Amino acid sequence: SQKIEQNSEALNIQEGKTATLTCNYTNYSPAYLQWYRQDPGRGPVFLLLIRENEKEKRKERLKVTFDTTLKQSLFHITASQPADSATYLCAPGSGWAGNNRKLIWGLGTSLAVNP
Amino acid sequence: EAQVTQNPRYLITVTGKKLTVTCSQNMNHEYMSWYRQDPGLGLRQIYYSMNVEVTDKGDVPEGYKVSRKEKRNFPLILESPSPNQTSLYFCASSLFGENIQYFGAGTRLSVL
Repeated sequence: SQKIEQNSEALNIQEGKTATLTCNYTNYSPAYLQWYRQDPGRGPVFLLLIRENEKEKRKERLKVTFDTTLKQSLFHITASQPADSATYLCAPGSGWAGNNRKLIWGLGTSLAVNP
Repeated sequence: EAQVTQNPRYLITVTGKKLTVTCSQNMNHEYMSWYRQDPGLGLRQIYYSMNVEVTDKGDVPEGYKVSRKEKRNFPLILESPSPNQTSLYFCASSLFGENIQYFGAGTRLSVL
């Protein structure tokens, strides 16, 4: 069955450093992959989407890579700030219409940025 | 402001007492879905709807019902809640042809 794995252990880093979060998938060939941020008790918020034909995508301090050979996506936050502390969810998807729209959600990685 | 609104935010109820969690979006999105989120299990889709009067089961539909009579509203109905439905529930919507999900703030449900 399809499986999405994210770093299960919380990631603690110092303010100003780069945080790197990993998302691995198996038994799956997604057409795209999304990253969301979730604060405790709140709904996930969309951050970035990267398609299978894109190697890298950037938005301000965020960068996402997508390696379909390794079946892996990396999510980077550069110059991290305490306000970046949250859980980050990886969600690959296989299509854009009908039931193919369904995202497969990872469990998330908790990031803590220490001042 | 573009948003997905869920109500109530918190709900404590007893086994067997029917309840409805409302969800409304103001973005004219065709696609709406309901998720539950539990520790160690992540987000699991309960039901989804591709448009008015079109709904289908997700991964964990047992014990839930939905309806989509208007494009903006997608209520989640628990006809006879049980303690194993204690969870954090999210409604989400997205545009047809784009799969970015916009989530509501969540409803924390406790069934005693």
